[in-house]
Amino acid sequence: QKEVEQNSGPLSVPEGAIASLNCTYSDRGSQSFFWYRQYSGKSPELIMSIYSNGDKEDGRFTAQLNKASQYVSLLIRDSQPSDSATYLCAVNNNNQGGKLIFGQGTELSVKP
Amino acid sequence: GAVVSQHPSRVICKSGTSVKIECRSLDFQATTMFWYRQFPKQSLMLMATSNEGSKATYEQGVEKDKFLINHASLTLSTLTVTSAHPEDSSFYICSANHLQQGAKSPLHFGNGTRLTVT
Repeated sequence: QKEVEQNSGPLSVPEGAIASLNCTYSDRGSQSFFWYRQYSGKSPELIMSIYSNGDKEDGRFTAQLNKASQYVSLLIRDSQPSDSATYLCAVNNNNQGGKLIFGQGTELSVKP
Repeated sequence: GAVVSQHPSRVICKSGTSVKIECRSLDFQATTMFWYRQFPKQSLMLMATSNEGSKATYEQGVEKDKFLINHASLTLSTLTVTSAHPEDSSFYICSANHLQQGAKSPLHFGNGTRLTVT
């Protein structure tokens, strides 16, 4: 079992729709959770961070964390073509000094 | 804030030569930096953790004698790919988190280095 798992996609949604990206992790000691967006040929950029159970909203983005289920998700409302990218889920066990373990990424395509 | 600069952004080298990649934290100090490698259509794979003033910690399967890491100061880590071969061609990305923000904070990434070995 991979430490961090994501559906590789591609996930295709029409412009204006809600895109839902999911991630599961295996280490119950994980304490910090991040979503990064990566455009082709570029390095990842941080979209959201979440540390406690529940929802966290930032603009069109909402991160959801359920530690009991070892599940974290990212919702993108009013999806735009510019949101088309690969979304990487990353998990940190704080005992490992900041090391992030990444999922394989979900490719999102938003169709105009 | 929290800018990480990586250089060069792109390098082409011949098989058997060595290539050095620099990673600098421009506006913060980082005792720890991380080096990742990403092959096409794959996720980021952690290669090693670079520790200021001490030896790097390598992930399983990463050859420490091939990928030399030096972390000479709180703002600079270097990765040297020695005796490069075509299979080393990849996208190398460094990252760091802010010393004062601690291990819980997100990583800030450099822009990456596209290495092509011919």
